[in-house]
Amino acid sequence: GENVEQHPSTLSVQEGDSAVIKCTYSDSASNYFPWYKQELGKRPQLIIDIRSNVGEKKDQRIAVTLNKTAKHFSLHITETQPEDSAVYFCAASSGGNQFYFGTGTSLTVIP
Amino acid sequence: NAGVMQNPRHLVRRRGQEARLRCSPMKGHSHVYWYRQLPEEGLKFMVYLQKENIIDESGMPKERFSAEFPKEGPSILRIQQVVRGDSAAYFCASSVRMSSYEQYFGPGTRLTVT
Repeated sequence: GENVEQHPSTLSVQEGDSAVIKCTYSDSASNYFPWYKQELGKRPQLIIDIRSNVGEKKDQRIAVTLNKTAKHFSLHITETQPEDSAVYFCAASSGGNQFYFGTGTSLTVIP
Repeated sequence: NAGVMQNPRHLVRRRGQEARLRCSPMKGHSHVYWYRQLPEEGLKFMVYLQKENIIDESGMPKERFSAEFPKEGPSILRIQQVVRGDSAAYFCASSVRMSSYEQYFGPGTRLTVT
């Protein structure tokens, strides 16, 4: 089955700086890579996703890059704000099936 | 347009009791996924259901756990004879169809076994 690894497990940045979270996956059949943000005690919220036919996708301060050859994808948050503080999960899927989640990155943005 | 609904939000059970968790998918969604999240861990897939069908239950423990998604009504995850290790947050997600990629999560049910 698929194995998704996520790094780092914790990340602290100063407000205004950038944050980068990286994930690797093992199954070359995976073709959909969502990122979820989970605040304490809340549901995971989809913040951005990318499919395997695209190398990069951007939505305001958030971007995701995908390297299919190396089987890794990354989340980039620019101009971080305190409200970006949360746990971020990457996931991989072969589409329409279960998601395989990474173990999460706890991001703290220091004002 | 209501999102994915789950109830109860919090559930306390004594060891040996049964826990029933309910999930109503988003309107128009006919596929439901159940995930378990242990404290400070990621989400682990349990089961994937379509109306009246279990599509994939490879993540479900073989004993004490069962799931259904009847033609009418919510999807139900049932845990019989709960043990302390079952304490976790249980999230369901829904998608519009099998070929749809996006899954939208409910608020979760936090099960505590005393």
